[in-house]
Amino acid sequence: DIVMTQSPDSLAVSLGERATINCKSSQSVLYSSNNKNYLAWYQQKPGQPPKLLIYWASTRESGVPDRFSGSGSGTDFTLTISSLQAEDVAVYYCQQYYSTPLSTFGPGTKVDIK
Amino acid sequence: QVQLVQSGAEVKKPGSSVKVSCKASGGTFSSYAISWVRQAPGQGLEWMGGIIPIFGTANYAQKFQGRVTITADESTSTAYMELSSLRSEDTAVYYCARVAWFGELLYFDYWGQGTLVTVSS
Repeated sequence: DIVMTQSPDSLAVSLGERATINCKSSQSVLYSSNNKNYLAWYQQKPGQPPKLLIYWASTRESGVPDRFSGSGSGTDFTLTISSLQAEDVAVYYCQQYYSTPLSTFGPGTKVDIK
Repeated sequence: QVQLVQSGAEVKKPGSSVKVSCKASGGTFSSYAISWVRQAPGQGLEWMGGIIPIFGTANYAQKFQGRVTITADESTSTAYMELSSLRSEDTAVYYCARVAWFGELLYFDYWGQGTLVTVSS
């Protein structure tokens, strides 16, 4: 099974500042035949289901603000919130779908306001 | 607009079973794939398994093999997740999610509202 890890477990960032979340997979999720990274990011606010933010490691889902961006390839990935807003307080999860139909999530990173 | 509406909260005794439904609207159900993800209180997301209704075959996480059954009824655009031999550790919110599918199962683009299952004697 592909194991996903995230760092840090939590972080507190001032409003308007940058937040950076890291995700690492235990094996590459880059599929060589199409050069795509099978990695997604989700945002979960308290009491709500997760919401898809990013797929293919860097493609923003429709309607997601452009302050959210994803980067990385192979086994190391980053979700960046360029200018943290109050509504961005949430837990963020990465997910690999390389081993489809099986899938695994990272443990989550909690983002708060400093 | 795709919408997934799940059945209501359940309270179950240890050793019993629970069956949660997930009714889809918007889009074409036969072109969907549905996965089930659970979240224990204060914990992260755990993928349990999924199904492509048009094929009818389900895949399960090894952890739940033998205890979970995922089915789909195309006539009612509803997917089901049944978990048996319940124990207290199964207390969680259970989500269904639509899986983007372009010949292979990908990311989860729409989610149900979640169903709280509480296992308690």
